[in-house]
Amino acid sequence: NAGVMQNPRHLVRRRGQEARLRCSPMKGHSHVYWYRQLPEEGLKFMVYLQKENIIDESGMPKERFSAEFPKEGPSILRIQQVVRGDSAAYFCASSPPVGHYGYTFGSGTRLTVV
Amino acid sequence: SQQGEEDPQALSIQEGENATMNCSYKTSINNLQWYRQNSGRGLVHLILIRSNEREKHSGRLRVTLDTSKKSSSLLITASRAADTASYFCATDNDYKLSFGAGTTVTVRA
Repeated sequence: NAGVMQNPRHLVRRRGQEARLRCSPMKGHSHVYWYRQLPEEGLKFMVYLQKENIIDESGMPKERFSAEFPKEGPSILRIQQVVRGDSAAYFCASSPPVGHYGYTFGSGTRLTVV
Repeated sequence: SQQGEEDPQALSIQEGENATMNCSYKTSINNLQWYRQNSGRGLVHLILIRSNEREKHSGRLRVTLDTSKKSSSLLITASRAADTASYFCATDNDYKLSFGAGTTVTVRA
């Protein structure tokens, strides 16, 4: 019973390139959440998705960032035209459909923009 | 803005000692959760305490919650080297977790 799978674990992008981060939730979990962690800080909520629906994207920067959770396949966090300030660890969590207790986090993707 | 804030920021203890860290928050909550993060890794869920609970135990972990003071504490008893990690409290309002900056705990052998 695999947990939340995120890939890649490490991603290096040059300024101006696109970054795509993938998250496969736990089996049976239909809710996905993305969080960002800057160095020496706690995690900050970015977006909450259900299959084919964005429920809350209040933590997403208004430009360059987008997220999706298609009917089939993993959730994708996409960052266009990356800048150095996007360097961070991006974590995905999932939860079952009823209630929101027991979030399971993935190991994260560490994005470095050079 | 951060909802949970941990105190102290860092803690260094000898193996076998107890470690206590505190968390304060600002607004009403449904529940409060504690997570551990080993260096460079993801978060591991440790314990959840609901707003109508005052104390909860799980193995060597003891969590208290005082909603009148908007604070929680995490006690790790008989610490081990493997407890070396950062510990975060997170308040849960519906689906959105709000994390503090964490307490870094170092357990010396």
